[in-house]
Amino acid sequence: AQSVTQPDIHITVSEGASLELRCNYSYGATPYLFWYVQSPGQGLQLLLKYFSGDTLVQGIKGFEAEFKRSQSSFNLRKPSVHWSDAAEYFCAVETANAGGTSYGKLTFGQGTILTVHP
Amino acid sequence: NAGVTQTPKFRVLKTGQSMTLLCAQDMNHEYMYWYRQDPGMGLRLIHYSVGEGTTAKGEVPDGYNVSRLKKQNFLLGLESAAPSQTSVYFCASSDRLRSGTGKEKLFFGSGTQLSVL
Repeated sequence: AQSVTQPDIHITVSEGASLELRCNYSYGATPYLFWYVQSPGQGLQLLLKYFSGDTLVQGIKGFEAEFKRSQSSFNLRKPSVHWSDAAEYFCAVETANAGGTSYGKLTFGQGTILTVHP
Repeated sequence: NAGVTQTPKFRVLKTGQSMTLLCAQDMNHEYMYWYRQDPGMGLRLIHYSVGEGTTAKGEVPDGYNVSRLKKQNFLLGLESAAPSQTSVYFCASSDRLRSGTGKEKLFFGSGTQLSVL
C-alpha cells in the first residue's frame, strides 16, 4: 500500500533562513507526488507536483521540491522563508486501487507545522 | 466562481445524533472526495465518487455514508455520531480527464469543524 511519511511534526525557522521539509514515500511504481499548504482555518492549496521529467520541480510562492527515487524522497525547499509561510505543509502521493486506477485519490503524510520567527 | 463550497462550517452534535454535510462544486468535476483531518494524522480519505450516482469507500469509511445524486453535490452523512468523529472534514473535487496522470489538481473546500460531545 502507498504511504507517506513526514518525519518532522513541527519546524521553527527564522525569517530569511532557508527551509527544507522532508517527505518519504512508499510506492511500487513511479509516484505522482504533491505538496500542499494549509493556512489556519483554510483548505489546502497546491504548492507543486511531480509526475515525470525533471526531478527538480518549481512551485508557487518560491518553493521547489526534488524527487529522489533512490531515497524515496520528495523534500520541499525554500531558500528564504517569509513570515507569511507559517502554515502546515502536507506531502501526498496519488493512490491507486488494486486495479491500478487512482481516480485522483491522494494519500497524505501527517503534516509538518512551520513556525517562522521574526 | 465559487469552486468547492461546504456547509455548514461549524457544527456541534451530541452522541447519537445524525447530520449531513453538503459539498457543492461548480467546476463540472467528475470526481469528488470526503477527507477527515485529525492532528498528527494528516488527511484520510473517507469516501469518494467518480461520477453521478457512484460512491466508493476510502481508507476510513466506517460510521459514514455518502450520496452523489447530482454531479455537483456530494453529501456526507453521519447516522449516529460518536466522539471519535470529532474532526475537520474537507471535501475536494478533481477533473476526470486529468486524473491518473499526475496532472490533476484537487480543489478543496474550506472545511467543516465538527465536534461530537
